[in-house]
Amino acid sequence: GESVGLHLPTLSVQEGDNSIINCAYSNSASDYFIWYKQESGKGPQFIIDIRSNMDKRQGQRVTVLLNKTVKHLSLQIAATQPGDSAVYFCAENGRLGNQFYFGTGTSLTVIP
Amino acid sequence: GAGVSQSPSNKVTEKGKDVELRCDPISGHTALYWYRQSLGQGLEFLIYFQGNSAPDKSGLPSDRFSAERTGGSVSTLTIQRTQQEDSAVYLCASSLGPNTDTQYFGPGTRLTVL
Repeated sequence: GESVGLHLPTLSVQEGDNSIINCAYSNSASDYFIWYKQESGKGPQFIIDIRSNMDKRQGQRVTVLLNKTVKHLSLQIAATQPGDSAVYFCAENGRLGNQFYFGTGTSLTVIP
Repeated sequence: GAGVSQSPSNKVTEKGKDVELRCDPISGHTALYWYRQSLGQGLEFLIYFQGNSAPDKSGLPSDRFSAERTGGSVSTLTIQRTQQEDSAVYLCASSLGPNTDTQYFGPGTRLTVL
């Protein structure tokens, strides 16, 4: 079945450092991937997305990298700030039906 | 503009009771999703509505769960004869189109079954 997994369930970084959150996906047919940020007590918030015809996409302080060869997705956050502390989820669309498949999440803690 | 809204934000019920959870998607969004999130877990897909098409119910965990979407807008998720294992946060998301578009999530409804 589908599986979207994360290499590290928790990550602690110093304020100002760069953060890298990794995600493995299993469905090679997936062609759309999203990173979400979820703060405590809130719904997931869209951060950045990437389609399978790209291998890198940059936003404001965030970069998503897609390696289709090894089915790996990563989220890089530059100059991490305390407000970045949250759980980060990757999701893939699977391309088989209507579901998006979400990973368990990585909890990012920024140390001031 | 207005995002996805959900009500109630919290619901405490007794085992065996029925509950209804409401989702108001972003205006103009044709796709609507319901997910369940247990404590410390990822999102579990429940059901998907797209326009006037028949909903994809493949994620519903049992026949106690059902959902409707009236007029292509507001959706209601109903859980009958609630069980303690139904306790979770129920999240609704909408997107402009089908599963190649970004989903925007509501704040969720935290359901506690005593």
